[in-house]
Amino acid sequence: NAGVTQTPKFRVLKTGQSMTLLCAQDMNHEYMYWYRQDPGMGLRLIHYSVGEGTTAKGEVPDGYNVSRLKKQNFLLGLESAAPSQTSVYFCASSWREGPYEQYFGPGTRLTVT
Amino acid sequence: GESVGLHLPTLSVQEGDNSIINCAYSNSASDYFIWYKQESGKGPQFIIDIRSNMDKRQGQRVTVLLNKTVKHLSLQIAATQPGDSAVYFCAENQAGTALIFGKGTTLSVSS
Repeated sequence: NAGVTQTPKFRVLKTGQSMTLLCAQDMNHEYMYWYRQDPGMGLRLIHYSVGEGTTAKGEVPDGYNVSRLKKQNFLLGLESAAPSQTSVYFCASSWREGPYEQYFGPGTRLTVT
Repeated sequence: GESVGLHLPTLSVQEGDNSIINCAYSNSASDYFIWYKQESGKGPQFIIDIRSNMDKRQGQRVTVLLNKTVKHLSLQIAATQPGDSAVYFCAENQAGTALIFGKGTTLSVSS
């Protein structure tokens, strides 16, 4: 099993550009999450999904959109990138019924200039 | 604001020593706690978890202690090795789906 994979690993955007980050998991998990991690900070939840076709806002959702068209994929979109969105983005997935351990991908390092 | 935090941002130990990383939480309704290890350039990796109906749980070289009276969580690493050098995060579960993470403690192990 590959676990949780993320594409791309690195990306540089200019302010105002858009992009989509792809997360895929092969563990048949119901729940999927997108986090951002900034220096000296813990992980902050952007959006999450409790099943195919569902999405919900997390702690810091502004400027991001998500979609969960397939159970194994969770997409994070930036419609108009801003320098404040420079961060490392992590995707995670977990079982529905618990335990609540989340499995993380390797991360995407995004720089917005 | 943050409901989970760590007492110290950094901890330096000698190889072979025992390490103790602390974490305080503020929500008495949290019923699940988890520790993650994050190595440089990688995603967080699960270490150990504990439910609120337990005080202690042991894994391989790691022990998590939960003190609900003072809302304190700790991770003990026995015989710390250089490979244990990483950032350690505690997290709590408040709503059944969302984990709230602390800011992390950087553990440095010197040989």
